[in-house]
Amino acid sequence: GQQVMQIPQYQHVQEGEDFTTYCNSSTTLSNIQWYKQRPGGHPVFLIQLVKSGEVKKQKRLTFQFGEAKKNSSLHITATQTTDVGTYFCAGNNNDMRFGAGTRLTVKP
Amino acid sequence: KAGVTQTPRYLIKTRGQQVTLSCSPISGHRSVSWYQQTPGQGLQFLFEYFSETQRNKGNFPGRFSGRQFSNSRSEMNVSTLELGDSALYLCASSLAGSVNTGELFFGEGSRLTVL
Repeated sequence: GQQVMQIPQYQHVQEGEDFTTYCNSSTTLSNIQWYKQRPGGHPVFLIQLVKSGEVKKQKRLTFQFGEAKKNSSLHITATQTTDVGTYFCAGNNNDMRFGAGTRLTVKP
Repeated sequence: KAGVTQTPRYLIKTRGQQVTLSCSPISGHRSVSWYQQTPGQGLQFLFEYFSETQRNKGNFPGRFSGRQFSNSRSEMNVSTLELGDSALYLCASSLAGSVNTGELFFGEGSRLTVL
């Protein structure tokens, strides 16, 4: 069955440093979504990517969808303490499968 | 507009018991999906319902079941509870006809502890 692998599992950065999390699927995806879950909270939708090679930006966040539609990345430029949380990718191929998430901590 | 509502928020059960969790989706949303979240395992897909029909099912044993009512509210049931069932159970609703094409709106979750 479809599997979505996400790395790294944890990332600790100094405030102002960049951060990247990567997702890889064992199968081609119809689309991929990204979610953020703050500590003690529930996942909140960030974005959906549909097209091969698509790149979308939200302020300091850049999302990419690979050409083969099997991998994706989320890059945060100049992290802030408000970026703390766990970032999940979710790949769609008949059903939505979430990666294990990357927990980001930011040291002020 | 009210968000996704899950009840109860917290509950404690003992091994062998059964539990029923409830989810009320956002008004107008017809798709409801359930996820199990445990540390290190991320969000594991349980099942998705649309118009009272189960559309997709994850790789969980038959002890996990669910249903959806005509008003789109959904329940999930876990029978013969095991220690490993301790987790946060998240419900998500979607406007789209299938979970594949729409943003998921998550509830706060029901945290189940099995002793």
